Amino acid sequence: AQSVTQLGSHVSVSEGALVLLRCNYSSSVPPYLFWYVQYPNQGLQLLLKYTTGATLVKGINGFEAEFKKSETSFHLTKPSAHMSDAAEYFCAVSDSGWVELSFGAGTTVTVRA
Amino acid sequence: ETGVTQTPRHLVMGMTNKKSLKCEQHLGHNAMYWYKQSAKKPLELMFVYSLEERVENNSVPSRFSPECPNSSHLFLHLHTLQPEDSALYLCASSQDRGSNYEQYFGPGTRLTVT
Repeated sequence: AQSVTQLGSHVSVSEGALVLLRCNYSSSVPPYLFWYVQYPNQGLQLLLKYTTGATLVKGINGFEAEFKKSETSFHLTKPSAHMSDAAEYFCAVSDSGWVELSFGAGTTVTVRA
Repeated sequence: ETGVTQTPRHLVMGMTNKKSLKCEQHLGHNAMYWYKQSAKKPLELMFVYSLEERVENNSVPSRFSPECPNSSHLFLHLHTLQPEDSALYLCASSQDRGSNYEQYFGPGTRLTVT
């Protein structure tokens, strides 16, 4: 069975600063990994995903994440935060493409002007 | 309407009430999902439907009863709920079941049980 740990339930960054959201997973097989974003009063939206191949994955809105098997991590980064990045971010994992997702508890990002 | 819609957006109900949540997807997808989102807890997958057949039920109490009359509509019938059932209930759909296919989420129904 897979599980997801997101370190830090809340992250505050200054506009223009680096955004780093941490995600570690446990999985008995090579995982499929995802990041979702949830803006206020909206459902979740897929930011990016890793299934196979290149371990650095680029997503929408300037976000990217790197799969590090040795560290069982899939951290999300964005070089320069924008006010519109204020949202809740969820990491998710599945054991294969035919299994449903397991989500982390989420990290809320606030951006200071 | 586009994407995934959910009604009502907010619902307050007493523990003895019966109510239903509605989800509709306009994407031509074959799989639909109900999730429970509680503050600072991981999203909990409640039910999965594929081609109108329930394929997963994650030990959800019987006071929650899903219904999928066709591939575009999904309901969650609620009765004799408990205060701990207060949460945001999210509906999602995907082309087919499994994480190979991106899930599209509705905005959720904020449920408060008094």
